[in-house]
Amino acid sequence: GENVEQHPSTLSVQEGDSAVIKCTYSDSASNYFPWYKQELGKRPQLIIDIRSNVGEKKDQRIAVTLNKTAKHFSLHITETQPEDSAVYFCAASVRSAGGTSYGKLTFGQGTILTVHP
Amino acid sequence: GAVVSQHPSRVICKSGTSVKIECRSLDFQATTMFWYRQFPKQSLMLMATSNEGSKATYEQGVEKDKFLINHASLTLSTLTVTSAHPEDSSFYICSAYQAFFGQGTRLTVV
Repeated sequence: GENVEQHPSTLSVQEGDSAVIKCTYSDSASNYFPWYKQELGKRPQLIIDIRSNVGEKKDQRIAVTLNKTAKHFSLHITETQPEDSAVYFCAASVRSAGGTSYGKLTFGQGTILTVHP
Repeated sequence: GAVVSQHPSRVICKSGTSVKIECRSLDFQATTMFWYRQFPKQSLMLMATSNEGSKATYEQGVEKDKFLINHASLTLSTLTVTSAHPEDSSFYICSAYQAFFGQGTRLTVV
């Protein structure tokens, strides 16, 4: 089955700096890579995702890059703010081309991001 | 946006009793619901996939008779932890379509 490795496990940055979290996956059939933000005791929130036919995707201060050949993908957060502090999870899955079939997600171990004011 | 409502948010029960957790999709139909378990400071581990109108698919190592999953309608999936033990204490979360998570249920078995 799929195996997702995530690094680093903790990341501490100063406000305004950039943060990068990296993940690798093992199953070449995986084609959907979402990132989630989870605050303590709360539900995970989907913050950005990317499909395997795209190399990069941006949404304001957040971007995700995917290297399908190397089987790794990364989350980039620029101009970090204290409210970005949370646990971030990457995941990998198989999703049908039309988005009508949703395979199970395999999550990375999580990264605790702390942004210091 | 789409909302998944999960109840209860917290429950404390005695060893040997059963607890039912409900997940409802409020403004959409969910043919598939995923159930996860999360230990403190750890990742989400998939327990089972529930499909409306059919039997759930359990992940390896998850006891089917202990974690009963029912998906009787397109808007409701339930997880029942039977004969609960302290080691079942955890955070349980449901999810629809990989993007919409319930609020989670903190189960404590005493």
